[in-house]
Amino acid sequence: GAGVSQSPRYKVAKRGQDVALRCDPISGHVSLFWYQQALGQGPEFLTYFQNEAQLDKSGLPSDRFFAERPEGSVSTLKIQRTQQEDSAVYLCASSLDLGYQPQHFGDGTRLSIL
Amino acid sequence: KQEVTQIPAALSVPEGENLVLNCSFTDSAIYNLQWFRQDPGKGLTSLLLIQSSQREQTSGRLNASLDKSSGRSTLYIAASQPGDSATYLCAVPNEGAQKLVFGQGTRLTINP
Repeated sequence: GAGVSQSPRYKVAKRGQDVALRCDPISGHVSLFWYQQALGQGPEFLTYFQNEAQLDKSGLPSDRFFAERPEGSVSTLKIQRTQQEDSAVYLCASSLDLGYQPQHFGDGTRLSIL
Repeated sequence: KQEVTQIPAALSVPEGENLVLNCSFTDSAIYNLQWFRQDPGKGLTSLLLIQSSQREQTSGRLNASLDKSSGRSTLYIAASQPGDSATYLCAVPNEGAQKLVFGQGTRLTINP
């Protein structure tokens, strides 16, 4: 089962806490994407990596959001000083390369900020 | 800026009916269009990907069409089944292909 794996599946945090969400892409996939999905909406782009390089972070909503992929494989999305509006499902996707290759999605992390 | 719209937001039909889901996009200069299915609490499963040079793609009971000039795509589901109940999303890559732009989805319910 070599799909995209995300952990944890569910995360509950108090407002003001820091959280870290993990994504294990499909082995060998060069590109990795993070999306945020609010309830009843389609996913919205946050950031993407090609190998370890973060080439676009234009979708990150504030400087409290930080993503990294230090070895070009596993990625972590960190949210500092969480706020209630950060509550959403965070989806990770990977693709073999750019050039309009299909993106393969994980099941997401559902983040609830109390 | 590319915008993707899906109508209707929700649809409920009896089992066995054929149905059509609609997707429209504002910038017709797309490279492909992808239809996804999302079950509650799950991620996205790719159903069909249509390249810009194609007019349609078929997979089993699903058929997706693409009309770039009018900025529209449709997903046709034949002989619907209760297991088809899910949210269906369409998405197009932005011009640099670094990200997908999604519609808000159509929540489909098939009643037995």
